[in-house]
Amino acid sequence: DIQMTQSPSSLSASVGDRVTITCRASQGIRNDLGWYQQKPGEAPKRLIYAASTLQSGVPSRFSGSGSGTDFTLTISSLQPEDFATYYCLQHNNYPPTFGQGTRLEIK
Amino acid sequence: EVQLVESGGGLVTPGGSLRLSCVASGLNFNTAWMSWVRQAPGYGLEWVGRIKSKVQGGTTEYAAPVRGRFTISRDDSENTIFLQMNSLKNEDTAVYYCTTADAVPLNWGQGTLVTVSS
Repeated sequence: DIQMTQSPSSLSASVGDRVTITCRASQGIRNDLGWYQQKPGEAPKRLIYAASTLQSGVPSRFSGSGSGTDFTLTISSLQPEDFATYYCLQHNNYPPTFGQGTRLEIK
Repeated sequence: EVQLVESGGGLVTPGGSLRLSCVASGLNFNTAWMSWVRQAPGYGLEWVGRIKSKVQGGTTEYAAPVRGRFTISRDDSENTIFLQMNSLKNEDTAVYYCTTADAVPLNWGQGTLVTVSS
């Protein structure tokens, strides 16, 4: 199975900060990667697919980049509603595998 | 709007069985591939398995931890998929989500909690 290593595992930041979360695949996955946001008690919400394509309705402060083994999710200016846990997901090889998550907390 | 509604979760003792259901609406279910993803309390997301549409064979795939114990099936007349879970273990305790099986699943149900405990 492809291992997805996500970092950091947790992050404290303030409203207005620029934040970057990274995901590294144990082997090349082209751009077969997505990003999710999950709030407590809710199902995950898709933010990004194909590594950099923004899901319709998701604010433009979210962006994704990368290809091969290294990927990033960037939030350009944190808003109060962005404090949540973020996961990457690779679907290049079966089984699909998630990163372990990044918990984004208010500083 | 696609809606996925899971049911069937609950408390079960180790070694027991449980069947989860997921009713879908707002999509062409006959051609939809569907998946189950789970999340243990306080932990991350784990893909469980997938079922293809019957048109494409209706075949299933499973994650290693559940292979041989869990079975996914579908009833297209009821727009429903099922997750039959046998020989349950404590480590199967999780919220189980039904999703559409697109590459990066867009649509998720609200989840149903399965607790395996004596």
